[in-house]
Amino acid sequence: DAKTTQPNSMESNEEEPVHLPCNHSTISGTDYIHWYRQLPSQGPEYVIHGLTSNVNNRMASLAIAEDRKSSTLILHRATLRDAAVYYCILGGGSGTYKYIFGTGTRLKVLA
Amino acid sequence: DVKVTQSSRYLVKRTGEKVFLECVQDMDHENMFWYRQDPGLGLRLIYFSYDVKMKEKGDIPEGYSVSREKKERFSLILESASTNQTSMYLCASSVDRGVYEQYFGPGTRLTVT
Repeated sequence: DAKTTQPNSMESNEEEPVHLPCNHSTISGTDYIHWYRQLPSQGPEYVIHGLTSNVNNRMASLAIAEDRKSSTLILHRATLRDAAVYYCILGGGSGTYKYIFGTGTRLKVLA
Repeated sequence: DVKVTQSSRYLVKRTGEKVFLECVQDMDHENMFWYRQDPGLGLRLIYFSYDVKMKEKGDIPEGYSVSREKKERFSLILESASTNQTSMYLCASSVDRGVYEQYFGPGTRLTVT
């Protein structure tokens, strides 16, 4: 199974952009790249996903490298409510159910 | 809003007890999942169900069983709880397999003493 590698923790100042990196050098051609986040004392929640092209939604942007071996989640203006553990996950391709969760990046947002 | 609820937020059980963790979703989702979350290990899939009475093993099914008698309800059963099953248990559901978003419940923190 393909795995993801993320930094254990990152810090950002409030209202500044945050770039959260993820390496997935063994990604298969059918794996989608998903990002979820987990706020304190809650279950994970969906942020964004993509396959090859960059993606934007109301929460974030996802930039995917041309070779798909890495990706970056971009929070355009971090707020204190964005402090969470962010998971980069591979899966969902070919109609499969299985997601491979890594250990995530703990994002700290400084006021 | 999709809602996934779990029967307890905190549970303390003794070694050898039979433990039931219940999960209910209200969006008519086909797929339901049970994960456990441990520090340094992330989320690991225990079991998955893609339809009523259908189930598949995940990565760590040993020591667990599941039941899905109704579409909205997915139960995780620890037949004889052990201390190494102390963990956070998370239930999730999705409308279908593949890239569809998984909706998670708030989790049950189980302590086995």
